[in-house]
Amino acid sequence: TQLLEQSPQFLSIQEGENLTVYCNSSSVFSSLQWYRQEPGEGPVLLVTVVTGGEVKKLKRLTFQFGDARKDSSLHITAAQPGDTGLYLCAGRPAGGTSYGKLTFGQGTILTVHP
Amino acid sequence: ETGVTQTPRHLVMGMTNKKSLKCEQHLGHNAMYWYKQSAKKPLELMFVYNFKEQTENNSVPSRFSPECPNSSHLFLHLHTLQPEDSALYLCASSQDLGTGNYGYTFGSGTRLTVV
Repeated sequence: TQLLEQSPQFLSIQEGENLTVYCNSSSVFSSLQWYRQEPGEGPVLLVTVVTGGEVKKLKRLTFQFGDARKDSSLHITAAQPGDTGLYLCAGRPAGGTSYGKLTFGQGTILTVHP
Repeated sequence: ETGVTQTPRHLVMGMTNKKSLKCEQHLGHNAMYWYKQSAKKPLELMFVYNFKEQTENNSVPSRFSPECPNSSHLFLHLHTLQPEDSALYLCASSQDLGTGNYGYTFGSGTRLTVV
């Protein structure tokens, strides 16, 4: 079983602050995705990173894939209340019996206070 | 209607009831999934269907019975559930189970409460 460990599990910050969420594993992934889930809704895909060392930016969100493709980070600059939600990382294993399926981390609950 | 649609959004059922959850997608995707989301736990994969054939049953108890009549529809039939089965049940679809790095499209889920 390929596990993805997310940290922190909970994050409560004030509007305007910066934050980073981490997603780590001992396994190699062919790609890694980040999702955001709001209360009462399903997760929504934010980004997919594929190449080791890749950095992608989505407005105030910056996503990075580790060089060894075992870890990823999500950095939010100047957080806003609308960023509040559950952030999930999900990896597509590189081969093995789980080929093709996503493995999800346990999530980071972010609360941004006005 | 686009995306993945799940019905009902909320369901309360007794332990002796039989009910079904429905999932529908019109994205042209060939793979569909059932996930269970409980508090403080990662998303738990339950079943995977690819081109309407079940490719994975992740050791799910037999009180959960999936059905995939075609690539656009997925059902989860429930019977004699336990209170610990109360959770958010999410349906998702993806292009297929191949090598592409595409994401999953999730429905809004069914909030199930077993009393």
